[in-house]
Amino acid sequence: GAVVSQHPSWVICKSGTSVKIECRSLDFQATTMFWYRQFPKQSLMLMATSNEGSKATYEQGVEKDKFLINHASLTLSTLTVTSAHPEDSSFYICSASFSQNEQFFGPGTRLTVL
Amino acid sequence: DAKTTQPTSMDCAEGRAANLPCNHSTISGNEYVYWYRQIHSQGPQYIIHGLKNNETNEMASLIITEDRKSSTLILPHATLRDTAVYYCIVRVPYTGTASKLTFGTGTRLQVTL
Repeated sequence: GAVVSQHPSWVICKSGTSVKIECRSLDFQATTMFWYRQFPKQSLMLMATSNEGSKATYEQGVEKDKFLINHASLTLSTLTVTSAHPEDSSFYICSASFSQNEQFFGPGTRLTVL
Repeated sequence: DAKTTQPTSMDCAEGRAANLPCNHSTISGNEYVYWYRQIHSQGPQYIIHGLKNNETNEMASLIITEDRKSSTLILPHATLRDTAVYYCIVRVPYTGTASKLTFGTGTRLQVTL
């Protein structure tokens, strides 16, 4: 149980385009989902926290207009990287949580912006 | 959340116990100690967590000192598949909404033949 999926697992896009990444909790309802970003050889950095049906809370330094997060249902959250640039290339990871302390992580999405 | 300090890297021979230390000297009384690991190019995987008492599950054991200022994650019989970055995180308990995790740099464990 407690499986989280992400789609796509990897994506390559041109600079200036937008990319949407989906995060799904497959066998539980996630009241809270988190989005992280990880650059090569670095640790995970939390970007934002989203609770179902409400606006996401962004960490300091993360542009909310550039990284659009939607958490419209208890099993799906999306992260849209708008007007992507090469410096947005990274490994994006989501996690989902319900009533317990644990967070269950997705497998990650590798974004490469050309 | 309290800051943690871990060694940058460790090696362990396959079949031996891997003991990964973590210092969290500023931990508060209600903060839990969590351990996650991340195998290369994958999402983090939950291992174990505890508050005061030692904990054991099918993956590992967690030993927390009496003053709670440090802890040790023990993988009793390390295998090559345990090669990963191990993160020690302290966080407040669930209070109705999930609290965020703050990842440090972790310990890169290399298990060798």
